Amino acid sequence: NAGVTQTPKFRVLKTGQSMTLLCAQDMNHEYMYWYRQDPGMGLRLIHYSVGEGTTAKGEVPDGYNVSRLKKQNFLLGLESAAPSQTSVYFCASTSGGSSYEQYFGPGTRLTVT
Amino acid sequence: AQKVTQAQTEISVVEKEDVTLDCVYETRDTTYYLFWYKQPPSGELVFLIRRNSFDEQNEISGRYSWNFQKSTSSFNFTITASQVVDSAVYFCALSVWGAQKLVFGQGTRLTINP
Repeated sequence: NAGVTQTPKFRVLKTGQSMTLLCAQDMNHEYMYWYRQDPGMGLRLIHYSVGEGTTAKGEVPDGYNVSRLKKQNFLLGLESAAPSQTSVYFCASTSGGSSYEQYFGPGTRLTVT
Repeated sequence: AQKVTQAQTEISVVEKEDVTLDCVYETRDTTYYLFWYKQPPSGELVFLIRRNSFDEQNEISGRYSWNFQKSTSSFNFTITASQVVDSAVYFCALSVWGAQKLVFGQGTRLTINP
């Protein structure tokens, strides 16, 4: 079991470029999440999905889009990157809803110049 | 709305000292869940514990213990006889029944000096 994997691990973008972060889980989890981690602010939820084909906005969704076409994958897109999106991005998944612990990927460090 | 506050931004202690990390939460829901996660220097987040709002029993796991008090809306984490390997950022988090998502505190960076 690989658990939750994220691709890529590091990326540098120029302002205005686009990119997609890929999250994959092999635990057959229904729920998947994208967070960003910034110094002093903990983890903030960007978007999440409660099942294949569903997505919902989290706390800081602006500037991001997501898709969950397959149960095991959750994609996070940045259409036009901005320096404010420089952050570490974590994907997580869980089998249940609010009462279950989430399993996290290793993170993607994104720098936008 | 839910909120988690970890007022201690950074804590530094000498090895073998006991240390307590504070977590205060806010919610109007009666059914909720509290979590602690550890983020070591390698960067991954590791689940430590989950408590539900109906179970106020304190929990001990080795050198780790958790004190859940609904009266003060706190879920504090104590490490006894700290070790250098305990150095990490620790996050407290809250979810409420039906919300399908976690709200994290800002995290406490714990440094254990040899």
